[in-house]
Amino acid sequence: DVKVTQSSRYLVKRTGEKVFLECVQDMDHENMFWYRQDPGLGLRLIYFSYDVKMKEKGDIPEGYSVSREKKERFSLILESASTNQTSMYLCASRKETQYFGPGTRLLVL
Amino acid sequence: AQSVAQPEDQVNVAEGNPLTVKCTYSVSGNPYLFWYVQYPNRGLQFLLKYITGDNLVKGSYGFEAEFNKSQTSFHLKKPSALVSDSALYFCAQDSNYQLIWGAGTKLIIKP
Repeated sequence: DVKVTQSSRYLVKRTGEKVFLECVQDMDHENMFWYRQDPGLGLRLIYFSYDVKMKEKGDIPEGYSVSREKKERFSLILESASTNQTSMYLCASRKETQYFGPGTRLLVL
Repeated sequence: AQSVAQPEDQVNVAEGNPLTVKCTYSVSGNPYLFWYVQYPNRGLQFLLKYITGDNLVKGSYGFEAEFNKSQTSFHLKKPSALVSDSALYFCAQDSNYQLIWGAGTKLIIKP
């Protein structure tokens, strides 16, 4: 079975803090994705990556950056957290099908 | 622009009755279609996909979906609903290795 893990299930941070969300997949997938999920807005793509050191902006990249130094790991970075970044963050990897991690619920105070 | 529509925010079904969750896709994209389910405070789980071939696709937990090209639809179905099927369901369409997502449908199964 494909396994996608995320470093934290719940996270509380303060406004202005730098936040790192880590995602690791164990299936040697080249494609990895970061989404945020908010009630009534569904899933919105923040960034994705086709390969190591490659990154592409999704629909809502503002306020975020990503890092892909190794194939299995895709990190999402909030450079300076703001309250409007309180959300559920979902990581996925894919070959033919996208497989998701359990999600990180981030609260920014 | 491509889009995926799930016309119902919520669907209520009595346990034991058949259920349908509706999805229509964009004709401008390729008809590689997916259904996912999300239980509370969890990530999304893959249910089934249509790539090509038989229009009736069978997936996990007794779910199936019917691809209808003339109606550009990919409705999710189950013959007999369980209370444990209560969850949020997402339809998605492939677009250059990304997925275009529907807004989600909350399915409530009442005992």
